[in-house]
Amino acid sequence: GAGVSQTPSNKVTEKGKYVELRCDPISGHTALYWYRQSLGQGPEFLIYFQGTGAADDSGLPNDRFFAVRPEGSVSTLKIQRTERGDSAVYLCASSPDRDSPLHFGNGTRLTVT
Amino acid sequence: KQEVTQIPAALSVPEGENLVLNCSFTDSAIYNLQWFRQDPGKGLTSLLLIQSSQREQTSGRLNASLDKSSGRSTLYIAASQPGDSATYLCAVNAGNNRKLIWGLGTSLAVNP
Repeated sequence: GAGVSQTPSNKVTEKGKYVELRCDPISGHTALYWYRQSLGQGPEFLIYFQGTGAADDSGLPNDRFFAVRPEGSVSTLKIQRTERGDSAVYLCASSPDRDSPLHFGNGTRLTVT
Repeated sequence: KQEVTQIPAALSVPEGENLVLNCSFTDSAIYNLQWFRQDPGKGLTSLLLIQSSQREQTSGRLNASLDKSSGRSTLYIAASQPGDSATYLCAVNAGNNRKLIWGLGTSLAVNP
């Protein structure tokens, strides 16, 4: 069946611009997670959705970052006034419940020039 | 604060060897622990998930063990193959908020 889909796979943007990253989770998975991963590092938690609501957004680094999941399925991570330090691979994962493994997408590689 | 450490950082072995990857964590109050595989430029693939009440999980040539009291987990790979070459990460789930705390991974190269 279809896995977690993330678009775009690569995004290059100029410093100061706004970007949106999309995640389409596995159908029926109520839990959705955003992580970001820098080269040589483990993934860093950003935000977790249970259904439509953000159950934990403690990992968002600052108020330039925002994520939504209006219908409890597709999620969009939004970054305003991008900075070079935002460059990383942004990973999305979903799971049906807390006891099940996470299913990750292939990520969006964001490069801020 | 939970910290996860993986040893070794890199490992290179000839094909056919059995090998062990190590993961240690500082806080034994975990909900579960997961082992993932990451190929270059790809996302993460879940290999094994061990609940806190379990001691081990097996899938094919992979076996993961968990010793909560000592804060350790091992991933055993039997009869390694070149296709096993990847980075292996362990991640600890503290349970309350379901976010995972990750190690930095072990980069494995299996040479034909």
